[in-house]
Formats: sequence, structure tokens, C-alpha cells
Amino acid sequence: TQLLEQSPQFLSIQEGENLTVYCNSSSVFSSLQWYRQEPGEGPVLLVTVVTGGEVKKLKRLTFQFGDARKDSSLHITAAQPGDTGLYLCAVPLNNNDMRFGAGTRLTVKP
Amino acid sequence: SQTIHQWPATLVQPVGSPLSLECTVEGTSNPNLYWYRQAAGRGLQLLFYSVGIGQISSEVPQNLSASRPQDRQFILSSKKLLLSDSGFYLCAWSDKNEKLFFGSGTQLSVL
Repeated sequence: TQLLEQSPQFLSIQEGENLTVYCNSSSVFSSLQWYRQEPGEGPVLLVTVVTGGEVKKLKRLTFQFGDARKDSSLHITAAQPGDTGLYLCAVPLNNNDMRFGAGTRLTVKP
Repeated sequence: SQTIHQWPATLVQPVGSPLSLECTVEGTSNPNLYWYRQAAGRGLQLLFYSVGIGQISSEVPQNLSASRPQDRQFILSSKKLLLSDSGFYLCAWSDKNEKLFFGSGTQLSVL
């Protein structure tokens, strides 16, 4: 069983549409991070959420940490082709260990 | 500013051959260092992490090993590669805020 379950696994939408992807767990975390990865490159950190219920906005991206700090969502408004990529959530565990979900592969068609 | 270098970008190796992937970090001291492997288009599997010189934690028993001979150098090795070792290998470092900064990755194909 994965520590972090990300859904959907794949998502293909048209430019201009809105979307939400999810990162769920049965465990409680001190913080949670979202990364975006483009093909052939390493993931790039988008945001870190720390407080239960916290909402952070990064341009058209809205990140929310669940009240119980077990889950998170990423909402994209008016998606653009440049948003295409693999979206990964990650959490720090004890002893400096960072664990990732399997990711949501987003394709935004022009 | 901090930078991370990982090489080579692409590698094709025959089964049974050795492997050495190198990662170096500049602009920071005593970073936590990580090796991840990623199957095609999927999530990252943590292989090794290190909190200091000579300190290696292994997450998955396998055909690979890691070493940290210097503070900002992390090496991934194998004595004999298997077909199942193929994948995209990513090195990363983290700061005290637990943010990960990744290298550009090495695409390894074992044939």
C-alpha cells in the first residue's frame, strides 16, 4: 500500500478548463509538498503546506492542506499547455526521509 | 546560490557491467543527499539517503549501493547491472526546511 495515494493517475483536458488533483493518506504529516516534473527533468518544488486547512495560491494554482493534515489538493484554474507535466506530492518522514506519491500525469491540449 | 550537478544525462550499459553515477552539490554545506529511481512517468522510489559523510541509509535492498566520500558528493554504484536496474535516476539535496532540489537526472538503459 502506497503511503500517498494520488488521483487521478492520468488527466487530459482542453486549454481553459479547470481541474483538481488529489493526494490522500491515512497518516498525519507535519507538512506536505507539491512538485511538478517535465519529461527528462527532475521535479521542481511548487509549494509546501504546513498548517491544517492552509490554502496557498501560486498564480492559477491553488493548494490546500486538509484540516487533519492527511490529504491535500491542487486546483488549476484555466489550464494552459504549459501546465502539462507530472504532479507529485511528497511528505517528510522521520530521519530526513522524503516520500513521494505516484503522481498525476496532466496533459493540457491547446 | 546552490546548484546540483548530475551526470551523465544518458547511459546505455550491458547487463553485468558496473555502474557509477555521480552527483555533486555546490553552494551549501552538509546537505542531506538522496538517490531516487523513477519508472517511466511514475512516482519516485527512494533508494538511498545520506545525512553526512560516510552515512548512508538504504531503503530498498537491491543490486545498488551508494557512497558519500565528500560532504557534497554522492555516488550511486553497482558491480553488475541487471535489466531491472533500467530507469530514470535522480539525485537531490535538501535544506533544513526539507525542500528537495533535484538534479536533471540520468536515464539508464540496461540492455
